[in-house]
Amino acid sequence: GQQLNQSPQSMFIQEGEDVSMNCTSSSIFNTWLWYKQDPGEGPVLLIALYKAGELTSNGRLTAQFGITRKDSFLNISASIPSDVGIYFCAGRANDMRFGAGTRLTVKP
Amino acid sequence: GAGVSQSPSNKVTEKGKDVELRCDPISGHTALYWYRQRLGQGLEFLIYFQGNSAPDKSGLPSDRFSAERTGESVSTLTIQRTQQEDSAVYLCASSRDYFLNNSPLHFGNGTRLTVT
Repeated sequence: GQQLNQSPQSMFIQEGEDVSMNCTSSSIFNTWLWYKQDPGEGPVLLIALYKAGELTSNGRLTAQFGITRKDSFLNISASIPSDVGIYFCAGRANDMRFGAGTRLTVKP
Repeated sequence: GAGVSQSPSNKVTEKGKDVELRCDPISGHTALYWYRQRLGQGLEFLIYFQGNSAPDKSGLPSDRFSAERTGESVSTLTIQRTQQEDSAVYLCASSRDYFLNNSPLHFGNGTRLTVT
């Protein structure tokens, strides 16, 4: 099925470090999205990817749509305390599916 | 409004009671989605609407769950005879059109349901 495997499940990093997380699937997706969720709020869209191979940046965030269309990664450079939260990948084929999330903790 | 609005933001109910959760999508968005998020977990897809039609109801956890949408706008998610296992945050999202690939989902802040 359209299951997304997101890793790592959690990360504990020092402020200033770079972060990398990814999602993989056995199915092909047409769209990859990355969201961030803060406590008590809904997920907020960070980056949207619509073409295989596409590499898109949004400030300190960079995400890529894998060439095989079965994976995507999100990088955060020079992390800051407000990067704390849960990051979700989402892939769209027949419908939109979400990964289980990566819980990021940034230590000042 | 500018974003997806959900009400109530919090709901505490007794086991066995019925609850109704409301979602107001972004104006002009034809697609609307309901997800469930248990504490510390990811997003579990429940149902989507394109217009007022819900083509796939297989994500609803049981026949106690139902959803409707009218006027291609407001949607309500109803849970009958609530159980403690229904406790979760129920998130609503909308997008311009379900069939458009470049149509990302925009989420509301959710309704936190607690069944005692």
